Amino acid sequence: DIQMTQSPSSLSASVGDRVTITCRASQSISSSLNWYQQKPGKAPKLLIYATSSLQSGVPSRFSGSGSGTDFTLTISSLQPEDFATYYCQQSYNLWTFGQGTKVEIK
Amino acid sequence: EVQLVESGGGLVQPGGSLRLSCAASGFTFSSYEMNWVRQAPGRGLEWVSYISSSGSTMYYADSVKGRFTISRDNAKNSLFLHMNSLRAADTAVYYCTRSNQNYYYMDVWGKGTTVIVSS
Repeated sequence: DIQMTQSPSSLSASVGDRVTITCRASQSISSSLNWYQQKPGKAPKLLIYATSSLQSGVPSRFSGSGSGTDFTLTISSLQPEDFATYYCQQSYNLWTFGQGTKVEIK
Repeated sequence: EVQLVESGGGLVQPGGSLRLSCAASGFTFSSYEMNWVRQAPGRGLEWVSYISSSGSTMYYADSVKGRFTISRDNAKNSLFLHMNSLRAADTAVYYCTRSNQNYYYMDVWGKGTTVIVSS
């Protein structure tokens, strides 16, 4: 099984900050890495697929990068609506999610 | 509008059974692979099961293998999850999701249905 490890588990940031979340796979997953955003009481929402492709309707302040085992989600300028929990997911061999990163207001 | 609506959740005793349903609309259901994903209270997301567009191929997480069965009715635009031998650890919100046909990411999610396993 492929394990996904996100860091940090949580972070505090201010509006306008640049935020970076990392995700590491236990083996190479090529570019089969996706990112989701989840707000309390809501279903997850797809942000980025295949490492760096922005899902339709997602603001351009979100970006993704990486390959192989190491991946990054970046929010270039944090907005009030971005406070949420973010999950990475590998879709290379079945599906595995990271444990999540909670982005909180500083 | 593309939509997935889950139903069938509820309170069930340990060892009991439940069938979840997911009604799809706004897209050609029979062309898409589908999944169930769950989230235990206060926990992260866990993939549960996958079914191919034709229903001929299914995969399961080790945690539910042998107890859960995924199925679909393309004529009725519906996805199902049959859950047997339920345990307290199966308590979660269960989401129905649509998989992209090429990269297998989950691009459409339902709002979820809650399953509570407790005596």
